[in-house]
Amino acid sequence: GAVVSQHPSRVICKSGTSVKIECRSLDFQATTMFWYRQFPKQSLMLMATSNEGSKATYEQGVEKDKFLINHASLTLSTLTVTSAHPEDSSFYICSARDHGDVGELFFGEGSRLTVL
Amino acid sequence: GQNIDQPTEMTATEGAIVQINCTYQTSGFNGLFWYQQHAGEAPTFLSYNVLDGLEEKGRFSSFLSRSKGYSYLLLKELQMKDSASYLCAVKDSNYQLIWGAGTKLIIKP
Repeated sequence: GAVVSQHPSRVICKSGTSVKIECRSLDFQATTMFWYRQFPKQSLMLMATSNEGSKATYEQGVEKDKFLINHASLTLSTLTVTSAHPEDSSFYICSARDHGDVGELFFGEGSRLTVL
Repeated sequence: GQNIDQPTEMTATEGAIVQINCTYQTSGFNGLFWYQQHAGEAPTFLSYNVLDGLEEKGRFSSFLSRSKGYSYLLLKELQMKDSASYLCAVKDSNYQLIWGAGTKLIIKP
């Protein structure tokens, strides 16, 4: 199957700092990538849909100025958590499809963010 | 509203068979997915059903009944490594994935 790589896998930062998470499709071009957040023992929550060359589409309740998404190329999307606070600590996962709207999602390895 | 229901937790014995059910109510239907997620890891794809019936893939099978809004994931010859959460997700009329909360499967020796 297609491979999606996410980096870093774990990051610890101080409150008030910004953290960037990268999501790369290694063997296919992804015009659309998805960013999810998952709190312990809860399901995946879609945060935003990242579209190559255009602005991301954010889900209701997700602050676009806090969670900056950039999808500058067909193989890379980045999520920047700005001015992070302890409540932003979570597991962030990106995913992509390699065939438009159909087919399975391939997930990155996930990034565990801990804000002190 | 859109809703996916699956049991929170199930326990089974190594070598046995377990069935994890998923019922859904969504605006439209364009397929149902099952994913496996080990603790602290990202989900991995298990199966995809878009037509009624049973899809078999090795030890895992997935069934779909669109008229009943129902699916199940069947795991045979359970192994300890099958201990994980199993997520049911439905693609709605807008091709958005609606996720269930997941079923934590505990395998005992």
